[in-house]
Amino acid sequence: EPEVTQTPSHQVTQMGQEVILRCVPISNHLYFYWYRQILGQKVEFLVSFYNNEISEKSEIFDDQFSVERPDGSNFTLKIRSTKLEDSAMYFCASSEVFSGGSYNEQFFGPGTRLTVL
Amino acid sequence: AQSVTQLGSHVSVSEGALVLLRCNYSSSVPPYLFWYVQYPNQGLQLLLKYTSAATLVKGINGFEAEFKKSETSFHLTKPSAHMSDAAEYFCAVETSGSRLTFGEGTQLTVNP
Repeated sequence: EPEVTQTPSHQVTQMGQEVILRCVPISNHLYFYWYRQILGQKVEFLVSFYNNEISEKSEIFDDQFSVERPDGSNFTLKIRSTKLEDSAMYFCASSEVFSGGSYNEQFFGPGTRLTVL
Repeated sequence: AQSVTQLGSHVSVSEGALVLLRCNYSSSVPPYLFWYVQYPNQGLQLLLKYTSAATLVKGINGFEAEFKKSETSFHLTKPSAHMSDAAEYFCAVETSGSRLTFGEGTQLTVNP
């Protein structure tokens, strides 16, 4: 069964460093998402991406965040200068576009745990 | 704005007992509602979804949920809990642009 994959599973970085989290969405999916979950808190939407541009972003997704689809398979989240509060589990998700405009089921990857020291 | 509220951050049941996890939604339009499960150190797995077809939705692992517009609820149930059901459960609503807005989560403990 096709699945979303994410690498690395765990990333440790120093405050102020740049990190890139990688995701490989399901191959025929066209919508991509990033969510994060701070330890003990709920899952929060960061950004959605379609047709090589951001569709929607939350207030969390400020200038230090960026997303990119560098090739036909990868979808990345970059954090330019990490802060302690960026420590969280980051989930990538993807969905197929339905022509009828109905909802798109999102399939989630296993997550990358980011620890900022 | 569309949102969901999960009542009870922790629920504990005995093996074989009924599981009831509560979710209430707030939405001015018919919502798309979801239940996801998260096992320890794993990602989110879709249990079931409501997309305005049948109000009683059956999902995986014996779970089901009923959409009740009059109560603005979408509670998750399972007749008989199994030890393997121990996990965190999230109710979610699809808001504009296909983003999912999640509830706070309910940690389910199943006691032998």
